[in-house]
Amino acid sequence: DQQVKQNSPSLSVQEGRISILNCDYTNSMFDYFLWYKKYPAEGPTFLISISSIKDKNEDGRFTVFLNKSAKHLSLHIVPSQPGDSAVYFCAASGGTYKYIFGTGTRLKVLA
Amino acid sequence: SAVISQKPSRDICQRGTSLTIQCQVDSQVTMMFWYRQQPGQSLTLIATANQGSEATYESGFVIDKFPISRPNLTFSTLTVSNMSPEDSSIYLCSVAGVDTGELFFGEGSRLTVL
Repeated sequence: DQQVKQNSPSLSVQEGRISILNCDYTNSMFDYFLWYKKYPAEGPTFLISISSIKDKNEDGRFTVFLNKSAKHLSLHIVPSQPGDSAVYFCAASGGTYKYIFGTGTRLKVLA
Repeated sequence: SAVISQKPSRDICQRGTSLTIQCQVDSQVTMMFWYRQQPGQSLTLIATANQGSEATYESGFVIDKFPISRPNLTFSTLTVSNMSPEDSSIYLCSVAGVDTGELFFGEGSRLTVL
């Protein structure tokens, strides 16, 4: 059973517009969430996190929103840049460092 | 964040052989983790490696297949034993951030088993 799901395998966005990447989870015990960006032939790079005590966290162009009742989080990138083209993973944990990762969404930002 | 180096970055291996992947961190860390990413799949935790104790393996992973060493606070190895084509994956070393909830990853080791 996939506890963390990223239902969109790919997304294309025009440069300068907003990219919205979605992630759903099933385990209500999850209380800490991470987003990573991964380029080919590189390891995942940490982007932003959010704790379940918050519903929003912002860092520059990246904002993560958490809707606990819906067990849904989203990553907003605005404005999107061609260098943002990568695979994005969300990850969730319940009080430990054992993270469950989603399957990823491939973002392509078109110039 | 820690700087994490993995060796080899990629390798092509023959069925039935074993390969050891090394992970070096530029600072002392308590918790190190080994993940696997099979083609088109998510990242899956193989085991947690803490210095001075046996590695803790996740469901579906066993020590005989994936022996791990953690001789000190900056280094760990993962061996993939008796490889089959199903072991073709990217293997990733990661460490926990100090006083944070984040994980930081090495660049990964891409193994192809023929």
